[in-house]
Amino acid sequence: EADIYQTPRYLVIGTGKKITLECSQTMGHDKMYWYQQDPGMELHLIHYSYGVNSTEKGDLSSESTVSRIRTEHFPLTLESARPSHTSQYLCASSGGAQGAGEQFFGPGTRLTVL
Amino acid sequence: KNQVEQSPQSLIILEGKNCTLQCNYTVSPFSNLRWYKQDTGRGPVSLTIMTFSENTKSNGRYTATLDADTKQSSLHITASQLSDSASYICVVSDRGSTLGRLYFGRGTQLTVWP
Repeated sequence: EADIYQTPRYLVIGTGKKITLECSQTMGHDKMYWYQQDPGMELHLIHYSYGVNSTEKGDLSSESTVSRIRTEHFPLTLESARPSHTSQYLCASSGGAQGAGEQFFGPGTRLTVL
Repeated sequence: KNQVEQSPQSLIILEGKNCTLQCNYTVSPFSNLRWYKQDTGRGPVSLTIMTFSENTKSNGRYTATLDADTKQSSLHITASQLSDSASYICVVSDRGSTLGRLYFGRGTQLTVWP
């Protein structure tokens, strides 16, 4: 079944730890995105990718980094987690050659940094 | 500045009642407008999409309207059910980039009581 997956769903970690949030999609989409969402607030784009070996920073400055070595995989890494990184992280993907095709979202990772 | 404003911020209704959620936007050039439903702890799921030429679109008990002249949209939910309790997010995309840039509202938190 075509879908988009995120792991872990919940992560509680201490300050200074390195973490990687996983995102995979089986829809064959070229474009993938990472959003950050705080409670009651809008989604903010932090990273996106047009395809393999393409990564760009989004509107919201983030200390995280991303990679796109395979079409289906778009992991996000924090080298040294801090309490300010506590948030919900949503991964999404979309198809289509150009423009605003529907973005399909994963279930999200709720990150808490102590 | 491209913005999406939603009202009300939160809403409580009794099961079986109808409700209408509002969305005003300033995004230009306009491509399309989507209403997403986001259950607690989950990623957003698209309910409807409307392009510039469409005034009304229905998806079961959900009916979205769009007035492109006044840059307003509404989402009407009829015969509400407990499962309708969620955040409803208005998302507007522009057609000025190959990425398909999305602008998110903060959402209306709907609670349906039995």
